[in-house]
Amino acid sequence: AQSVAQPEDQVNVAEGNPLTVKCTYSVSGNPYLFWYVQYPNRGLQFLLKYITGDNLVKGSYGFEAEFNKSQTSFHLKKPSALVSDSALYFCAVSTNAGKSTFGDGTTLTVKP
Amino acid sequence: EPEVTQTPSHQVTQMGQEVILRCVPISNHLYFYWYRQILGQKVEFLVSFYNNEISEKSEIFDDQFSVERPDGSNFTLKIRSTKLEDSAMYFCASSRDSHNEKLFFGSGTQLSVL
Repeated sequence: AQSVAQPEDQVNVAEGNPLTVKCTYSVSGNPYLFWYVQYPNRGLQFLLKYITGDNLVKGSYGFEAEFNKSQTSFHLKKPSALVSDSALYFCAVSTNAGKSTFGDGTTLTVKP
Repeated sequence: EPEVTQTPSHQVTQMGQEVILRCVPISNHLYFYWYRQILGQKVEFLVSFYNNEISEKSEIFDDQFSVERPDGSNFTLKIRSTKLEDSAMYFCASSRDSHNEKLFFGSGTQLSVL
């Protein structure tokens, strides 16, 4: 069985500061890892993914994520947060079967 | 950018009634999914669909649920006899490939069972 853990329900950062949203996963075989963002009353939007290759993945809106196989983590990062980054963030893992399992989500609040 | 569209955006129904939620996936996508989200939090997998058959389903997807791709464009989720606990936001998603491609989500149908 595959699972994803997002240990923080809420992350608060000041605008201009770096942000990290944490994610750890458990899966048999090679993981396919994703981050999605959800704004109020909207569907989830893709940010970035890790399939293979470089452990540091760059995605939309200046976000990046680092795959760490030994720690089974895939933390989302951004060097300088914007107020407009405030949203609900989901980490997800999928396997060859195609089913994506999502974490419980982390609400990011960026204060001016 | 192409979009997944879902109708209706809101659906209110009485307990025990049948509902059909409709989705139009992106035209060149081959894999289709239904997820649901309760209280704006956890996103739960319901079912995946490929080549006109279910490829995987969760324990939530019991005999009351069914999916269909009746023509070349629509992908529907039917709940035969709704229960109060079926109230949720239901998201349709599609992808070109199954496991290493991003999912494109629709804006969802908010189902309220009274």
